[in-house]
Amino acid sequence: QSVLTQPPSVSAAPGQKVTISCSGSSSNIGNSYVSWYQQVPGTAPKLLIYDNNKRPSGIPDRFSGSKSGTSATLGITGLQTGDEADYYCGTWDNSLSAVVFGGGTWLTVL
Amino acid sequence: QVQLQESGPGQLKPSETLSLTCTVSGGSISSYYWTWIRQPPGKGLEWIGYIYNTGSADYNPSLKSRVTISVDTSKNQFSLNLNSMTPADTAVYYCARLPAAMHFTFDIWGQGTMVTVSS
Repeated sequence: QSVLTQPPSVSAAPGQKVTISCSGSSSNIGNSYVSWYQQVPGTAPKLLIYDNNKRPSGIPDRFSGSKSGTSATLGITGLQTGDEADYYCGTWDNSLSAVVFGGGTWLTVL
Repeated sequence: QVQLQESGPGQLKPSETLSLTCTVSGGSISSYYWTWIRQPPGKGLEWIGYIYNTGSADYNPSLKSRVTISVDTSKNQFSLNLNSMTPADTAVYYCARLPAAMHFTFDIWGQGTMVTVSS
């Protein structure tokens, strides 16, 4: 059971938009910054979003992040088949004194 | 560009100690935090701990009693020791960089190394 809650899977058609939610509490998302990672099967996670809504160099603006209260959302527009992957949210938890992650969401681009 | 590479044994027996090393190339190990994260087969990510180049470290409380992370700035490497291994510790182990200004964000990852614990 992960500290942060994500839907197990989402799907959308190529070219469409999808959002992935990450729900937490006041001890984590509510009082810390959220990061998002993309993991293609068999490879290491890749940073997509940090500090809630910032993109590292090289990440296209099709990827966006937002946070409201104790929840965060990753948005992906203009879906491509190459976006099929697991997506994880992560943040610091003050109560656990640890970095915590969501359980991951598998994105299918139909 | 900075690259990370994990190295160490892929197979261990229960009760043995895991020792992994992460070599940082293309940049200095100084001025950053460095971390270990693991992922059991088919499961999510678990943060193990981090270390600064000064040697100051912090660990996940769930693993703290069994974990030691150390750094060797002369070799541009940092290491993970995890003792009393059990089959539940079977996972892909990743090393990653943790920039202080990015609030517990891991911006560069190694490719990961699979560690299997079995008798």
